[in-house]
Amino acid sequence: QKEVEQDPGPLSVPEGAIVSLNCTYSNSAFQYFMWYRQYSRKGPELLMYTYSSGNKEDGRFTAQVDKSSKYISLFIRDSQPSDSATYLCAMSERTDSWGKLQFGAGTQVVVTP
Amino acid sequence: GAVVSQHPSRVICKSGTSVKIECRSLDFQATTMFWYRQFPKKSLMLMATSNEGSKATYEQGVEKDKFLINHASLTLSTLTVTSAHPEDSSFYICSASISTGKPQHFGDGTRLSIL
Repeated sequence: QKEVEQDPGPLSVPEGAIVSLNCTYSNSAFQYFMWYRQYSRKGPELLMYTYSSGNKEDGRFTAQVDKSSKYISLFIRDSQPSDSATYLCAMSERTDSWGKLQFGAGTQVVVTP
Repeated sequence: GAVVSQHPSRVICKSGTSVKIECRSLDFQATTMFWYRQFPKKSLMLMATSNEGSKATYEQGVEKDKFLINHASLTLSTLTVTSAHPEDSSFYICSASISTGKPQHFGDGTRLSIL
């Protein structure tokens, strides 16, 4: 069993719809949760960063963490074609510079005009 | 703007060649940088942790003699793929944290193709 599970998609939604992404994990020691967006042939770009359980909102993006269920989510409101990319969840037990990230497989999102 | 710069973005070379990839932190010092490898439609796999002034720490299964890492300054880490072969073809990405407790930022990656 992988430490982090993420549906690879593709997930296709019409422009303006809400995109719902999620990851599950097995390591209860994970405390820090991140979402990255990766365009084709580019490095991952940090979108959201949360600690422990709860919600965090930044513009059109909302990240949720439920540590009791070992489940994290990312919601993208009013989706745009420019949101078409692969979204990677990542987790870490630590935040110091030695912290290693465990990534999900990434979900490919396609927003159609 | 970008906080981590990676160069070159694309390399095509013959089998047996050694290839050096640079990763620079922009406007901040990074005592630790990370090197990842990504296969098509796959997630990132950590290869090694690069430590300024000391030896890199390699993940299990990564050949340290094949993938040489040097972190000679607080803003530069290099990954050298020695005697590269077609199976080394991949997308290599580096990352660094701006400060302790902050998540990693990634470079734009290097696409390596060995013919």
